[in-house]
Amino acid sequence: EDQVTQSPEALRLQEGESSSLNCSYTVSGLRGLFWYRQDPGKGPEFLFTLYSAGEEKEKERLKATLTKKESFLHITAPKPEDSATYLCAVQGYPHQGGSEKLVFGKGTKLTVNP
Amino acid sequence: DAGVIQSPRHEVTEMGQEVTLRCKPISGHNSLFWYRQTMMRGLELLIYFNNNVPIDDSGMPEDRFSAKMPNASFSTLKIQPSEPRDSAVYFCASTLNLYEQYFGPGTRLTVT
Repeated sequence: EDQVTQSPEALRLQEGESSSLNCSYTVSGLRGLFWYRQDPGKGPEFLFTLYSAGEEKEKERLKATLTKKESFLHITAPKPEDSATYLCAVQGYPHQGGSEKLVFGKGTKLTVNP
Repeated sequence: DAGVIQSPRHEVTEMGQEVTLRCKPISGHNSLFWYRQTMMRGLELLIYFNNNVPIDDSGMPEDRFSAKMPNASFSTLKIQPSEPRDSAVYFCASTLNLYEQYFGPGTRLTVT
């Protein structure tokens, strides 16, 4: 069964204090690993898709990386507007024993103080 | 693009009543997903459709829940009868060819 574990559950940073969020996963045949941002009272907003180990993607102050067992979301010099819950999800290949459904972690709630 | 549209945004109902949630996916997307989000369980997939056909409903909690997709631009999730434990935020998401999913704003359901 595909599983995703995110850590820490909550993280408080000062503005400008860089850090990383972790997403550990187990999946039978990774089709894709997805990062989403969710603001209170809103639906998850798509950020990145990573497909293979070693791949990296960047968007403004965010950079996502992928290994065979985990993904990191690096936040460089965060600002208060980066405060949100960040969700990680994996998708497998059915023919490799995985599932094409997205399996989500519980998320990391990030708070950036000014 | 209008994005995924859900209605109503908020629903308050009494236990035993029928509740119908509605979703309009992004035009051109061929897969649609219904999720439920709670603090305790996080984001859970209830059911998904591919080309309007239900593919996997293993996440539907009970027979009280049903979902339909009569055409490519509309889907409903119905709860009958509703119970207090059904209180949650329900999201609809759509995607093209089962890649990144785009979520709607959600419906916050409160059953008293």
